[in-house]
Amino acid sequence: EDKVVQSPLSLVVHEGDTVTLNCSYEVTNFRSLLWYKQEKKAPTFLFMLTSSGIEKKSGRLSSILDKKELFSILNITATQTGDSAIYLCAGRNTNAGKSTFGDGTTLTVKP
Amino acid sequence: KAGVTQTPRYLIKTRGQQVTLSCSPISGHRSVSWYQQTPGQGLQFLFEYFSETQRNKGNFPGRFSGRQFSNSRSEMNVSTLELGDSALYLCASSLGLAGDMETQYFGPGTRLLVL
Repeated sequence: EDKVVQSPLSLVVHEGDTVTLNCSYEVTNFRSLLWYKQEKKAPTFLFMLTSSGIEKKSGRLSSILDKKELFSILNITATQTGDSAIYLCAGRNTNAGKSTFGDGTTLTVKP
Repeated sequence: KAGVTQTPRYLIKTRGQQVTLSCSPISGHRSVSWYQQTPGQGLQFLFEYFSETQRNKGNFPGRFSGRQFSNSRSEMNVSTLELGDSALYLCASSLGLAGDMETQYFGPGTRLLVL
């Protein structure tokens, strides 16, 4: 059965700090790994990673995938209170086309 | 473009009843996936519909079913509701099949409470 594990489960930092969120996966016929940010509503898409070693970047957020070691990290620099959310990681396979989600990392950024 | 819409947004039902939830994908998107999110189990895949056909299915009992119409709108039905069905039900749409490297866009969800 496919499995995605995120760590840490929760994290409290202060504004301006840099955080690294981890996601390890065991997904049969792996195709891509996705990161989402979920506040008080539905998850919003952040990144989709398919190739190992290529960093995706959007503003203060960046993510990279290591297909050999089966993990990904999401990095947030110069955190702001608006970054407070649950960050979800999902592994997607090709055969079933379904996404297996991790339990999420709850990030709290204090002013 | 309008985003993914789901109706109703909130619903209260009692055990044994059935419920139908609706999802309208982003215009032009042909794939709709359904997920159940609970505090204990996280986000779990229910099924995916593409071109009116169920293409993929998660590990949920047969009480959970769905369908997709020719305009790509999808409905999800849960029969004989149980207390454990209380959850946020999310649908996500994408242009093509979710497995084909397509980004999914989530709707706001329907929060179902079963009493």
